[in-house]
Amino acid sequence: GENVEQHPSTLSVQEGDSAVIKCTYSDSASNYFPWYKQELGKRPQLIIDIRSNVGEKKDQRIAVTLNKTAKHFSLHITETQPEDSAVYFCAASTDYGQNFVFGPGTRLSVLP
Amino acid sequence: NAGVTQTPKFRVLKTGQSMTLLCAQDMNHEYMYWYRQDPGMGLRLIHYSVGEGTTAKGEVPDGYNVSRLKKQNFLLGLESAAPSQTSVYFCASSYTGYNEQFFGPGTRLTVL
Repeated sequence: GENVEQHPSTLSVQEGDSAVIKCTYSDSASNYFPWYKQELGKRPQLIIDIRSNVGEKKDQRIAVTLNKTAKHFSLHITETQPEDSAVYFCAASTDYGQNFVFGPGTRLSVLP
Repeated sequence: NAGVTQTPKFRVLKTGQSMTLLCAQDMNHEYMYWYRQDPGMGLRLIHYSVGEGTTAKGEVPDGYNVSRLKKQNFLLGLESAAPSQTSVYFCASSYTGYNEQFFGPGTRLTVL
């Protein structure tokens, strides 16, 4: 089955700097890759997603890149702000988005 | 709209007891999911459903059963609870497998 690895497990950046989180997946049939943000004690919320027919997607300060050949995708956050502090999860899905496998998460801390 | 709701919010069980967790959504979503979240392990898919009357196994289905008799409800059952099932359980729903999953607030279950 699919296996998703995520690095780093923790990341601290200064406010205004950029943050990059990388995920690798094992199943070449995976074709949908969402990223979720979870603040402490709250439910996960989607921040951006990408399908396998696209190499890059951007939404304001957030971008995701996908390298299907290498089977990895990355989350890029620019101009980080304290409210970006949270745990970020990547996920990979096959079978028309039926079966989701999440990475273990990255705890991002943005220091003022 | 209430979005996705979960009942109960907290529960403590003794080993061997049974219980049912209820997830309800009012967004007319076809897809519904049950996840468990354990520290350092991200979200793991237990079971999912792609429509009323359908269910399928996810990554960690053992010890759980589900039913989707009505489109808006997805029930997760534990027939004989074990301490290893102590976790936070999240329900989610989405319009299709390639759309945002909306998560419920979670149920914190402790099995003694």
